This record gives sequence, structure tokens and C-alpha cells, in this order.
Amino acid sequence: KNQVEQSPQSLIILEGKNCTLQCNYTVSPFSNLRWYKQDTGRGPVSLTIMTFSENTKSNGRYTATLDADTKQSSLHITASQLSDSASYICVVSPTDSWGKLQFGAGTQVVVTP
Amino acid sequence: SAVISQKPSRDICQRGTSLTIQCQVDSQVTMMFWYRQQPGQSLTLIATANQGSEATYESGFVIDKFPISRPNLTFSTLTVSNLSPEDSSIYLCSVGLRQSRGTQYFGPGTRLLVL
Repeated sequence: KNQVEQSPQSLIILEGKNCTLQCNYTVSPFSNLRWYKQDTGRGPVSLTIMTFSENTKSNGRYTATLDADTKQSSLHITASQLSDSASYICVVSPTDSWGKLQFGAGTQVVVTP
Repeated sequence: SAVISQKPSRDICQRGTSLTIQCQVDSQVTMMFWYRQQPGQSLTLIATANQGSEATYESGFVIDKFPISRPNLTFSTLTVSNLSPEDSSIYLCSVGLRQSRGTQYFGPGTRLLVL
């Protein structure tokens, strides 16, 4: 069973609107959580990284939140642009090393004009 | 960060053949990894490429099927051997930088279709 579950699987939003993506995880122990953006035909690119003690992290129009008690994270996209169309992947690391990352299946976001 | 390139970017191969994917990084890195991303699925770690020694494979992946080389700190290859249609996936190289708190940087991926 995947230890990182993302919802929704996909969504379509109008340009300029906001949206929120969800990530629930059961990974334990927990070191940090990252959100990656993967454009079609490209490798994933890191958007944010949060450790146990961080509740929120912003990167431009992207804001990630983390509740380590409930093991939930969200990624909020503000004033969406066409270039935001991509897959957004939640990645949890059980240790402070590089390996053994747990990947969610991703949320496919389509921004329409 | 690190700039990572992969060759080829995509390929179509016949069943039973092999494909070798190259990964080049613009700086010396400690950790290099190979992932597979099957259609609609999350990334799955194949192995950690170790410089000058045999790669460390994850459960379900074996060296005979996925031989890996890493002759130096900036280059690695992954070969997918005896191809079958089930090997059709995106294969991604990633690197870890010690100063980046464990964040992995991913290459653009190689899209493989096996007929």
C-alpha cells in the first residue's frame, strides 16, 4: 500500500482561479515533505520542502502547509496560470538522507483559459 | 542546484533488445539514483548508483535486468535489458547534493516505448 496518498487525482481549473491539492501520508519516522512539479516530458522540480517543525512554506504563488500531527499536507496555488498545468507530486522522506523517498502518485492539474 | 541531462530523451525499441540511458551532471555529486515512472504511477526507485562499485538495487530490481555503471562523480548509465512491453516507462536519473538537505534533483527523463 502506498504510504503517500494524494487527492484529487486530477483537476481542471480556470486561469486566475485558486486551487488546493491534498497529501496524506503514513510514513514514519518522518523527516521532511516536499512538493514537486512535473511538467509533461520533464523531470520533477522541487517547489517546497518542510521539516517536522515547519507549518507553512511559500514559493511565489505556491504555498504548502504541513500538519505533522495529522500527517497531512496541502499545496495551494494562487491565481493559477496556464504554465501551472502539470503533475504535482508529494514526496515524504523518512530520514534525513537522500534515498528511500516515498512518492505520491501525483495530482494532474490542467489550467484552462 | 544541479543541471542534469539524459540521453536519449525518448526511444522506441523492439522486444528483446536493450537500451542504455546516459545521465550527465554538471558538477560532482555524492548521490545518484535511477527511477522508473510507469504511466499514471508514482516514481519507483530502481537503484542507487555507487561510484566505482556495484549499484545498490531496491527490492524487485536486479542487476541482470538493470545493469548500472557509475565510472565517476558526474556520469552514470542505466541499461534496461531484454526489453518487454512492460518496460515501457519514463526512466529518470536524479542526484542528491549534500548542501541541499537531501533534496533530489531530477533529470528530464527518458521515455521508452517497447513494441
